[in-house]
Amino acid sequence: EVQLLESGGGLVQPGGSLRLSCAASGFTFNTYAMTWVRQAPGKGLEWVSGISGGYGSTNYADSVKGRFTISRDNFKNMVYLQMNSLRADDTAVYFCAKYRAVVNYGLDVWGQGTTVTVSS
Amino acid sequence: DIQLTQSPSFLSASVGDRVTITCRASQGISNYLAWYQQKPGKAPKLLIYTASTLQSGVPSRFSGSGSGTEFTLTISSLQPEDFATYYCQQLDNYPITFGQGTRLEIK
Repeated sequence: EVQLLESGGGLVQPGGSLRLSCAASGFTFNTYAMTWVRQAPGKGLEWVSGISGGYGSTNYADSVKGRFTISRDNFKNMVYLQMNSLRADDTAVYFCAKYRAVVNYGLDVWGQGTTVTVSS
Repeated sequence: DIQLTQSPSFLSASVGDRVTITCRASQGISNYLAWYQQKPGKAPKLLIYTASTLQSGVPSRFSGSGSGTEFTLTISSLQPEDFATYYCQQLDNYPITFGQGTRLEIK
């Protein structure tokens, strides 16, 4: 069964850091691009960052560029999101998702989400 | 950045109704548009990709159309399990963007 399982969320103070992890199983991980999407409480979906399969080229939303770093470990079938300089508006449920074989074709597998709360 | 505007933002309909949701892009995105369904407390689910291709396992009452800047999602006969929020997403250019969502509720 294809599965994504996020972890690492929690409560952090403004200006703090957190690393989210996403464990993938059931598919040939290194051949698929992966992404993080977040959803603030009561709000819509916001794409955060993506990383290609293989060599792992990366892209970021302007709202997180310079603060967040996406990475992957193709040996461990893991994708990570390192979040620094966290702000209150980063509070959200963070979903890990897998692209279809062609990146333009959408996100066909999603994790259950992990909650990040930035508050003093 | 490419802006996606969904209409309506809220829709009230009855079981058996045919409903259509529109997604307009601020610039052309070819057919690189996907539709998702999200229920409260759950992850989104991919329904349609490349504007009109039905994702495996999605009921055939869902259909999509469009190209360029205007796209539609149609549900031909609403079922009780279809009441949810629907999002469009463009995957033509980074940053990838979503529409603001359309909340579909039971009349």
